Amino acid sequence: LAKTTQPISMDSYEGQEVNITCSHNNIATNDYITWYQQFPSQGPRFIIQGYKTKVTNEVASLFIPADRKSSTLSLPRVSLSDTAVYYCLVGPFSSNTGKLIFGQGTTLQVKP
Amino acid sequence: KAGVTQTPRYLIKTRGQQVTLSCSPISGHRSVSWYQQTPGQGLQFLFEYFSETQRNKGNFPGRFSGRQFSNSRSEMNVSTLELGDSALYLCASQSSNEKLFFGSGTQLSVL
Repeated sequence: LAKTTQPISMDSYEGQEVNITCSHNNIATNDYITWYQQFPSQGPRFIIQGYKTKVTNEVASLFIPADRKSSTLSLPRVSLSDTAVYYCLVGPFSSNTGKLIFGQGTTLQVKP
Repeated sequence: KAGVTQTPRYLIKTRGQQVTLSCSPISGHRSVSWYQQTPGQGLQFLFEYFSETQRNKGNFPGRFSGRQFSNSRSEMNVSTLELGDSALYLCASQSSNEKLFFGSGTQLSVL
Protein backbone atom coordinates (compact mmCIF):
# COMPACT_ATOMS: atom_id res chain seq x y z
CA LEU A 1 0.00 0.00 0.00
CA ALA A 2 1.30 3.43 -0.98
CA LYS A 3 2.65 5.62 1.81
CA THR A 4 0.96 8.96 2.32
CA THR A 5 2.19 12.25 3.71
CA GLN A 6 -0.11 14.93 5.03
CA PRO A 7 0.28 17.96 7.34
CA ILE A 8 0.15 17.07 11.00
CA SER A 9 -2.19 19.92 11.88
CA MET A 10 -4.19 22.79 10.40
CA ASP A 11 -6.20 25.64 11.86
CA SER A 12 -9.20 27.31 10.31
CA TYR A 13 -12.15 29.51 11.20
CA GLU A 14 -15.82 28.84 10.91
CA GLY A 15 -17.21 29.51 7.45
CA GLN A 16 -13.89 29.12 5.66
CA GLU A 17 -13.04 26.53 3.05
CA VAL A 18 -10.37 24.09 4.17
CA ASN A 19 -8.07 22.22 1.81
CA ILE A 20 -5.96 19.34 3.11
CA THR A 21 -3.37 17.99 0.72
CA CYS A 22 -2.00 14.47 0.79
CA SER A 23 1.11 13.31 -1.06
CA HIS A 24 1.30 9.75 -2.38
CA ASN A 25 4.20 9.63 -4.81
CA ASN A 26 4.21 5.82 -5.09
CA ILE A 27 0.53 5.40 -5.91
CA ALA A 28 -0.12 2.37 -8.10
CA THR A 29 -2.31 2.21 -11.17
CA ASN A 30 -5.09 0.31 -9.39
CA ASP A 31 -4.97 2.41 -6.21
CA TYR A 32 -7.83 4.60 -5.08
CA ILE A 33 -7.62 7.53 -2.67
CA THR A 34 -9.89 7.47 0.35
CA TRP A 35 -10.38 9.97 3.15
CA TYR A 36 -11.66 9.20 6.63
CA GLN A 37 -12.65 11.55 9.45
CA GLN A 38 -12.24 10.70 13.12
CA PHE A 39 -13.63 12.44 16.19
CA PRO A 40 -12.11 11.79 19.64
CA SER A 41 -13.04 8.42 21.13
CA GLN A 42 -14.89 7.35 17.98
CA GLY A 43 -14.01 5.19 15.03
CA PRO A 44 -13.04 6.74 11.69
CA ARG A 45 -15.86 7.62 9.32
CA PHE A 46 -15.65 7.36 5.54
CA ILE A 47 -15.81 10.78 3.84
CA ILE A 48 -14.98 10.40 0.16
CA GLN A 49 -13.15 8.23 -2.33
CA GLY A 50 -11.81 8.88 -5.80
CA TYR A 51 -9.52 7.68 -8.56
CA LYS A 52 -8.87 10.73 -10.73
CA THR A 53 -9.99 14.29 -11.47
CA LYS A 54 -12.72 15.47 -9.12
CA VAL A 55 -15.27 13.77 -6.90
CA THR A 56 -17.91 15.62 -4.92
CA ASN A 57 -20.48 14.48 -2.38
CA GLU A 58 -22.65 16.20 0.17
CA VAL A 59 -19.77 16.50 2.62
CA ALA A 60 -16.61 17.25 0.66
CA SER A 61 -14.80 17.39 -2.65
CA LEU A 62 -11.71 15.48 -3.65
CA PHE A 63 -9.35 16.87 -6.26
CA ILE A 64 -6.83 14.56 -7.91
CA PRO A 65 -4.36 15.88 -10.52
CA ALA A 66 -3.51 13.95 -13.65
CA ASP A 67 -0.33 12.41 -12.21
CA ARG A 68 -2.25 11.24 -9.11
CA LYS A 69 0.79 11.78 -6.89
CA SER A 70 -1.22 13.98 -4.59
CA SER A 71 -4.83 14.71 -3.70
CA THR A 72 -6.67 17.51 -1.94
CA LEU A 73 -9.64 17.11 0.34
CA SER A 74 -11.77 20.25 0.29
CA LEU A 75 -14.26 21.00 3.06
CA PRO A 76 -16.54 23.91 2.19
CA ARG A 77 -17.56 26.38 4.88
CA VAL A 78 -16.32 24.44 7.91
CA SER A 79 -18.02 24.61 11.27
CA LEU A 80 -16.80 23.86 14.78
CA SER A 81 -18.11 20.32 14.41
CA ASP A 82 -15.61 19.66 11.62
CA THR A 83 -12.81 19.72 14.18
CA ALA A 84 -11.39 16.22 13.82
CA VAL A 85 -8.50 14.16 12.49
CA TYR A 86 -8.57 13.53 8.74
CA TYR A 87 -6.79 10.51 7.27
CA CYS A 88 -5.74 10.03 3.67
CA LEU A 89 -5.40 6.41 2.57
CA VAL A 90 -4.28 4.91 -0.71
CA GLY A 91 -4.93 1.36 -1.76
CA PRO A 92 -6.57 -0.85 -4.37
CA PHE A 93 -10.35 -0.51 -4.57
CA SER A 94 -10.90 -4.19 -4.94
CA SER A 95 -8.39 -5.17 -2.34
CA ASN A 96 -10.78 -7.70 -0.91
CA THR A 97 -9.48 -6.83 2.52
CA GLY A 98 -10.43 -4.90 5.59
CA LYS A 99 -6.80 -4.01 6.15
CA LEU A 100 -6.12 -0.29 5.89
CA ILE A 101 -2.85 1.48 6.57
CA PHE A 102 -3.49 4.71 8.43
CA GLY A 103 -0.87 7.42 8.57
CA GLN A 104 -0.64 10.08 11.25
CA GLY A 105 -3.56 12.06 9.84
CA THR A 106 -4.19 15.81 9.89
CA THR A 107 -5.69 17.33 12.99
CA LEU A 108 -8.00 20.11 11.89
CA GLN A 109 -8.94 22.68 14.50
CA VAL A 110 -11.82 24.96 13.57
CA LYS A 111 -12.04 28.12 15.62
CA PRO A 112 -15.05 30.39 16.12
CA LYS B 1 -29.71 0.03 9.55
CA ALA B 2 -27.83 -0.32 12.82
CA GLY B 3 -24.12 0.50 12.79
CA VAL B 4 -21.20 -1.50 14.09
CA THR B 5 -21.68 -2.24 17.77
CA GLN B 6 -18.81 -2.79 20.15
CA THR B 7 -19.05 -3.90 23.76
CA PRO B 8 -18.08 -3.00 26.33
CA ARG B 9 -17.45 0.71 25.75
CA TYR B 10 -14.93 0.97 28.59
CA LEU B 11 -12.89 -1.66 30.37
CA ILE B 12 -10.34 -1.56 33.17
CA LYS B 13 -8.05 -4.52 33.74
CA THR B 14 -4.81 -5.21 35.58
CA ARG B 15 -1.57 -6.53 34.19
CA GLY B 16 -1.56 -10.26 33.57
CA GLN B 17 -5.29 -10.55 33.13
CA GLN B 18 -7.00 -11.38 29.89
CA VAL B 19 -9.82 -9.56 28.14
CA THR B 20 -12.41 -10.32 25.48
CA LEU B 21 -13.95 -7.62 23.33
CA SER B 22 -17.04 -8.07 21.21
CA CYS B 23 -18.09 -6.64 17.85
CA SER B 24 -21.36 -6.95 15.97
CA PRO B 25 -21.00 -5.86 12.35
CA ILE B 26 -23.61 -4.17 10.22
CA SER B 27 -26.21 -6.69 9.09
CA GLY B 28 -25.10 -8.39 5.90
CA HIS B 29 -21.43 -7.51 6.27
CA ARG B 30 -19.25 -10.60 6.36
CA SER B 31 -15.84 -9.01 6.95
CA VAL B 32 -14.79 -7.76 10.37
CA SER B 33 -11.47 -6.07 11.04
CA TRP B 34 -9.88 -5.02 14.30
CA TYR B 35 -7.62 -2.05 14.91
CA GLN B 36 -5.68 -0.73 17.89
CA GLN B 37 -5.31 3.00 18.37
CA THR B 38 -2.83 4.58 20.75
CA PRO B 39 -1.53 8.16 20.94
CA GLY B 40 1.98 6.99 20.14
CA GLN B 41 1.41 4.46 17.38
CA GLY B 42 -1.81 5.72 15.86
CA LEU B 43 -4.23 3.34 14.18
CA GLN B 44 -2.77 -0.11 13.60
CA PHE B 45 -4.38 -3.09 11.92
CA LEU B 46 -4.69 -6.19 14.09
CA PHE B 47 -6.49 -8.77 11.98
CA GLU B 48 -9.46 -9.38 9.73
CA TYR B 49 -12.00 -12.17 9.61
CA PHE B 50 -14.20 -13.16 6.71
CA SER B 51 -16.69 -16.01 6.86
CA GLU B 52 -15.21 -17.24 10.15
CA THR B 53 -11.67 -17.39 8.71
CA GLN B 54 -8.79 -15.06 9.42
CA ARG B 55 -8.02 -13.37 6.10
CA ASN B 56 -5.34 -10.89 7.11
CA LYS B 57 -3.12 -10.37 10.11
CA GLY B 58 -1.10 -7.42 11.34
CA ASN B 59 2.16 -7.39 13.25
CA PHE B 60 0.98 -8.06 16.77
CA PRO B 61 2.15 -10.76 19.18
CA GLY B 62 0.27 -13.99 19.63
CA ARG B 63 -1.34 -12.64 22.81
CA PHE B 64 -3.77 -10.93 20.48
CA SER B 65 -6.24 -13.31 18.91
CA GLY B 66 -9.69 -13.23 17.46
CA ARG B 67 -12.49 -15.27 16.04
CA GLN B 68 -15.66 -14.85 14.05
CA PHE B 69 -18.92 -16.66 14.48
CA SER B 70 -21.35 -17.89 11.87
CA ASN B 71 -23.51 -14.79 12.35
CA SER B 72 -20.43 -12.63 11.54
CA ARG B 73 -20.11 -11.35 15.10
CA SER B 74 -16.48 -11.24 16.15
CA GLU B 75 -14.51 -11.30 19.35
CA MET B 76 -10.92 -10.40 20.03
CA ASN B 77 -8.99 -11.62 23.02
CA VAL B 78 -5.86 -10.27 24.61
CA SER B 79 -4.11 -12.51 27.10
CA THR B 80 -1.50 -11.64 29.71
CA LEU B 81 -2.27 -7.95 29.50
CA GLU B 82 0.57 -5.43 29.55
CA LEU B 83 0.44 -1.74 30.36
CA GLY B 84 1.16 -1.00 26.71
CA ASP B 85 -2.05 -2.72 25.68
CA SER B 86 -4.01 0.27 26.95
CA ALA B 87 -5.68 1.60 23.85
CA LEU B 88 -8.87 2.20 21.96
CA TYR B 89 -9.78 -1.01 20.14
CA LEU B 90 -11.84 -0.45 17.04
CA CYS B 91 -13.83 -2.89 15.01
CA ALA B 92 -14.89 -2.30 11.43
CA SER B 93 -17.14 -4.16 9.05
CA GLN B 94 -16.82 -3.99 5.30
CA SER B 95 -19.63 -3.35 2.87
CA SER B 96 -20.06 -4.95 -0.53
CA ASN B 97 -18.49 -1.85 -2.13
CA GLU B 98 -15.56 -2.36 0.22
CA LYS B 99 -15.91 0.72 2.39
CA LEU B 100 -15.13 0.21 6.06
CA PHE B 101 -17.61 1.19 8.75
CA PHE B 102 -16.13 1.55 12.21
CA GLY B 103 -17.69 1.16 15.62
CA SER B 104 -17.11 3.58 18.49
CA GLY B 105 -14.53 1.28 20.01
CA THR B 106 -13.70 -0.20 23.39
CA GLN B 107 -11.41 1.91 25.55
CA LEU B 108 -9.18 -0.53 27.44
CA SER B 109 -7.12 0.65 30.39
CA VAL B 110 -4.53 -1.70 31.86
CA LEU B 111 -3.38 -0.82 35.37
